[in-house]
Amino acid sequence: LAKTTQPISMDSYEGQEVNITCSHNNIATNDYITWYQQFPSQGPRFIIQGYKTKVTNEVASLFIPADRKSSTLSLPRVSLSDTAVYYCLVGDIGTGGFKTIFGAGTRLFVKA
Amino acid sequence: ETGVTQTPRHLVMGMTNKKSLKCEQHLGHNAMYWYKQSAKKPLELMFVYNFKEQTENNSVPSRFSPECPNSSHLFLHLHTLQPEDSALYLCASSQLPGHQETQYFGPGTRLLVL
Repeated sequence: LAKTTQPISMDSYEGQEVNITCSHNNIATNDYITWYQQFPSQGPRFIIQGYKTKVTNEVASLFIPADRKSSTLSLPRVSLSDTAVYYCLVGDIGTGGFKTIFGAGTRLFVKA
Repeated sequence: ETGVTQTPRHLVMGMTNKKSLKCEQHLGHNAMYWYKQSAKKPLELMFVYNFKEQTENNSVPSRFSPECPNSSHLFLHLHTLQPEDSALYLCASSQLPGHQETQYFGPGTRLLVL
């Protein structure tokens, strides 16, 4: 299972674009890249998923370079309610079953 | 969102008590999961069920006993817990097991062991 590395925390102001980068140097051919958001005392919530290039939905964009060894979650014009922990997950079902490993995530704090 | 519900939301128990956590998913999914999230720690996967069969047990102590009577319901039976077991216990479901499958999480049960 590919290990991911993210910044521990980030600060931003309302209305700014926030980019959170995740490194996954050992990503395998079959691996997808998934991002989740978690608010305090709640379960994580799916944000976006991609395999290569760029994916965009109503919440965020995900940029994946050609080598797929990293990915960047882009949140356009953040608001105070975007303050949360953001997790990057990489992995697929292995022959021995799968092990989901949520890393420490990136704690985003949006200030007014 | 009410796709995955968990009860109770809060639980306080002594080390000699026996209690159960309940999870129910209304999404028609086939895979269900239990996670543990301790304070300031990443989520830890505990158990995975696929079509009611347990497929993963990540070295969880036997004082935690899961039960999956059908694809919609998942229980976590607790007995003789330790104070360090105090945490947020999260249930999740997905159509099939796998990282590329979107997991839908419940609100969690906040457990305090005294």
